[in-house]
This record gives sequence, C-alpha cells and structure tokens, in this order.
Amino acid sequence: GESVGLHLPTLSVQEGDNSIINCAYSNSASDYFIWYKQESGKGPQFIIDIRSNMDKRQGQRVTVLLNKTVKHLSLQIAATQPGDSAVYFCAENFGDTGRRALTFGSGTRLQVQP
Amino acid sequence: KAGVTQTPRYLIKTRGQQVTLSCSPISGHRSVSWYQQTPGQGLQFLFEYFSETQRNKGNFPGRFSGRQFSNSRSEMNVSTLELGDSALYLCASRTGHQETQYFGPGTRLLVL
Repeated sequence: GESVGLHLPTLSVQEGDNSIINCAYSNSASDYFIWYKQESGKGPQFIIDIRSNMDKRQGQRVTVLLNKTVKHLSLQIAATQPGDSAVYFCAENFGDTGRRALTFGSGTRLQVQP
Repeated sequence: KAGVTQTPRYLIKTRGQQVTLSCSPISGHRSVSWYQQTPGQGLQFLFEYFSETQRNKGNFPGRFSGRQFSNSRSEMNVSTLELGDSALYLCASRTGHQETQYFGPGTRLLVL
C-alpha cells in the first residue's frame, strides 16, 4: 500500500541513465546527512550518509554531494536500474549528543523506465 | 545479522481504543527511535530510547508514549486513538554511538 505522499515530485529516467535527486535542507547547524530509499510497503533503507566536514562521498553506484553554502544535498545514482524505482528521502541531523533526531525531507519519487 | 523487526505489521482499531506496537532492534543496537509516516506530514520523529531511558522526544501529544526494555526491545503505545493517528509507524535502531539508523518494515495502523 501507499506509505508516502501522493503528490511527491517525480523524477523519471531511462534505464541506464544517471539520476540526480536533489534536497534542500533547513538547518545550517546540521552536521550529518543521510539518504534513504523506500519501496512501496517497506521501511526506509539506508543508502549513504555524509558528515558536514565532507562535500562528497561515494558508495556503490551512488554519490552524495553536500553544498553547505546553499544548504543543498544531492544523490547521484549511476546507471539507474528498474530496481532503483522508489521514493528517496534525505534527512539531516543536528544538536548535542542525546538530543539528536533525524529531520526528513518530503521525498522524491524515482521512476525508471525500461 | 537480522534486521529490525516490528510487530504486528498491520492493525485496525477504532477511535478511542489504545494500541501497543513492538520493535526489536538489530542485535547490539541500544538506541531505538520511533517515527510516524503519513502522506500529509511525511516522516516525523516521535521519540528515542537508549538504555531504557527516553533520550529525546518529538512534538507529539502525550497520548503517544514508549518504553524500552533491558534487552533493548521497545514498545510504543498510543492511547485514545484518533482517526488522524492512522499511519505507518516505523522503528529504527542504531548502536547509540553511530549516527546511522536502520529502519524496520513498519506497522501500518488504521483507525476507523
């Protein structure tokens, strides 16, 4: 069943193309950022994270870019596959140890056309 | 390692009832956080428990409560259910010293 917003921004890409999902975060004090993928009927799945002392981090087929100047985060997926179709959320974290909680963006739906 | 598990997966309740949801974290993880996910509000933080103590709390009414046991398993309770409590309730665990949270599949609650 549908577990996320019905009017999410949607990015539609062809299989094999690269995808770029963007996220604007809200708090300039945020020092940790994370991307999750959520498929229908499932919980969010960790993709990649980055701390504010970095501006780029690479994983397997994914890269996260952080621009603190404009409070912008992006997730790049190389050679997008049909299995990448899902809703993608960015989240930010800030605050003292013990008072930290992830604040999530509204999500972007990625549709991969075969 | 087994992932985060949540029970039950689906629940139907009526207004005014109360409900208890359960979460078993990844083995070795001492922190458990709860989130509510709705189409209108997205993912919102409810609270975090660490070593049986509530460490942080989001902006939800007192009808939402939780607890954590000595084995790190956690429960959340919602009393006097309202229609607006219909949502996917997600639990996430982490070691307590690392930031990365790992989510369970969620419990879908429908309030009629």
